[in-house]
Amino acid sequence: GQQVMQIPQYQHVQEGEDFTTYCNSSTTLSNIQWYKQRPGGHPVFLIQLVKSGEVKKQKRLTFQFGEAKKNSSLHITATQTTDVGTYFCAGLHSGGYQKVTFGTGTKLQVIP
Amino acid sequence: NAGVTQTPKFQVLKTGQSMTLQCAQDMNHEYMSWYRQDPGMGLRLIHYSVGAGITDQGEVPNGYNVSRSTTEDFPLRLLSAAPSQTSVYFCASSYVPTELNEQFFGPGTRLTVL
Repeated sequence: GQQVMQIPQYQHVQEGEDFTTYCNSSTTLSNIQWYKQRPGGHPVFLIQLVKSGEVKKQKRLTFQFGEAKKNSSLHITATQTTDVGTYFCAGLHSGGYQKVTFGTGTKLQVIP
Repeated sequence: NAGVTQTPKFQVLKTGQSMTLQCAQDMNHEYMSWYRQDPGMGLRLIHYSVGAGITDQGEVPNGYNVSRSTTEDFPLRLLSAAPSQTSVYFCASSYVPTELNEQFFGPGTRLTVL
C-alpha cells in the first residue's frame, strides 16, 4: 500500500538549535500538507505544498517539496519551547482520489 | 462556529460491546473522515465521505462502520469492540473533496477497550 515515512521519529534539541524533519513517500504525491499536534491536542494545519520543488516559509519554519514530488521537509530555525509537539506530513497520492495518507510523525522536544 | 465537535471525549468499553462515536461540523464541509492515532503509527484513515450518502473505506476499515445521512454528521460505529481498537480517534472535515484542502480536526475521543 501507499506509505509515507517520516524521520526521525523523535528529536530532542536545545532551545535555539535548528530542527528538520523529513517525509518520504513510496509513490508520487499530488500535494502535501504539514500539521502540528501539541501534546494532548489535535492536529492543526500549517501549510500545503503543490508544485514540484516548491519552498514556502512561515517565520522560522521552512517547508520544501521535492522535485520528484515524493519527499518533503520541514525545517525550524532557532527552536523555541513553543515549537514542542509532533509534526506530521500528509499526502494525497497521484491518482489516489481523496485518500489522504499521514506520515508517522516526528515528535520534537525542546530543552530550555 | 463550533468547528468540528466529537463526543464523547473519553470512553471505556468491554470487549464485544458496541458504540457510536459522534462527529459533527458546522462549516458546510463536503469531506469528512475518521482517523485513529496509535503511538508510532501516525494517523491512519478508517473511513471517509465526500458528501451526504457517499462513504468509502480508508486504510484500516475493519471493525468499523460509517454513514453520512447529512452534511453535518459523520458517526463512526464500532460493531464489536476489541482491545486492538484501543486508540485515540479523530474526526476531520475539509471543504472540497477533490483536492487536498486543509483538514479541520475535532478534539478527539480517547477509547479504551478492556
